[in-house]
Amino acid sequence: KAGVTQTPRYLIKTRGQQVTLSCSPISGHRSVSWYQQTPGQGLQFLFEYFSETQRNKGNFPGRFSGRQFSNSRSEMNVSTLELGDSALYLCASSSRGTGFTEAFFGQGTRLTVV
Amino acid sequence: AQSVTQLDSHVSVSEGTPVLLRCNYSSSYSPSLFWYVQHPNKGLQLLLKYTSAATLVKGINGFEAEFKKSETSFHLTKPSAHMSDAAEYFCVVTFGGSNSGYALNFGKGTSLLVTP
Repeated sequence: KAGVTQTPRYLIKTRGQQVTLSCSPISGHRSVSWYQQTPGQGLQFLFEYFSETQRNKGNFPGRFSGRQFSNSRSEMNVSTLELGDSALYLCASSSRGTGFTEAFFGQGTRLTVV
Repeated sequence: AQSVTQLDSHVSVSEGTPVLLRCNYSSSYSPSLFWYVQHPNKGLQLLLKYTSAATLVKGINGFEAEFKKSETSFHLTKPSAHMSDAAEYFCVVTFGGSNSGYALNFGKGTSLLVTP
């Protein structure tokens, strides 16, 4: 069974630009969640989608958005990039998306904003 | 609110000696707890999970964790460290049900160094 696939693996963008990251979950998993990892703040929850609906959102500005498609693939978008958005963005998929189920992570997308 | 506190940001052990990584949790009800490991420039890998079935949980690569409700702890242990265990370890609590959304709440991480 293929794991969680994130593309691209690396990105370099300029301040003010926007970026779209993609995540393909494990086949059959309906919950996809996104996390930002930085040295200073650690791992922080961005948002979670289940069957194309955003069910939960972390404490991030509106520049961060996402969506999920009918095949459970998910994208996150960051508009008007700031230097502080440089981070490793991790996507996780879960089969049922309940508190008792574990999440499986992709390798992440390393975003550098210059 | 549910949260976890990893009590040590760095732990250093010699190869072949026991490993103890400490985690305390705060939860208003029975939590689901996990340990994940992250090797440099890699994603997160699940080591083990506690979901109330048994208090002593065995995971991959010889790791174990014991859920102690009275101490609100979920410490990770391994009898004998291997060089390949050097990595960042995260204690995680989940929150949310099937309708309210799902998210992982991470501790700050413990960096494990294994010396020869």
